[in-house]
Amino acid sequence: AQSVTQLGSHVSVSEGALVLLRCNYSSSVPPYLFWYVQYPNQGLQLLLKYTSAATLVKGINGFEAEFKKSETSFHLTKPSAHMSDAAEYFCAVKSGNNNDMRFGAGTRLTVKP
Amino acid sequence: KAGVTQTPRYLIKTRGQQVTLSCSPISGHRSVSWYQQTPGQGLQFLFEYFSETQRNKGNFPGRFSGRQFSNSRSEMNVSTLELGDSALYLCASSLAGAGDTGELFFGEGSRLTVL
Repeated sequence: AQSVTQLGSHVSVSEGALVLLRCNYSSSVPPYLFWYVQYPNQGLQLLLKYTSAATLVKGINGFEAEFKKSETSFHLTKPSAHMSDAAEYFCAVKSGNNNDMRFGAGTRLTVKP
Repeated sequence: KAGVTQTPRYLIKTRGQQVTLSCSPISGHRSVSWYQQTPGQGLQFLFEYFSETQRNKGNFPGRFSGRQFSNSRSEMNVSTLELGDSALYLCASSLAGAGDTGELFFGEGSRLTVL
């Protein structure tokens, strides 16, 4: 069965600093990987997804992630944090032969002025 | 195009009662998935329905059940509520298909409080 592990339940950065949120996956078949963002009292919104095309994936709001098969990782980055980036971020995996998506525990991002 | 709509948004029940939550997917989406979100357990997969059939199921007791109608709308039911069932229940829809790489589109959730 597929799964993801997010390293760090809380990450705090200063406005303008690099954002790095870590995600490692486990899957017995080539995975599809996703990053979602959740703002308070809202559902999840897709930031970006990897579906075996380019290994460097660009998403909305300046975020990007790189799929590294050798490291089984799919870390999310943004060069310069903005106050509006403060939210909870979830990494998720879905295997090609199964339509259920499994989520990591989430990382809460705080952006300090 | 309207997004995923969940009703009700908030509800309060007491232990032992049962509750039904509703989800209307994006038009044209045939798959509906349900998740339970709690501070302690995070996002946990409940089940997925496709063309009125339950296709995948998570590790929840039989008190949690669901169904999907011919118009793809879905309901989930929790019977004999327990305090631990207090959570945000999220519904998500997708176009379809095993092997589909498509993302899930989420509703804003139904927040259930059990007293």
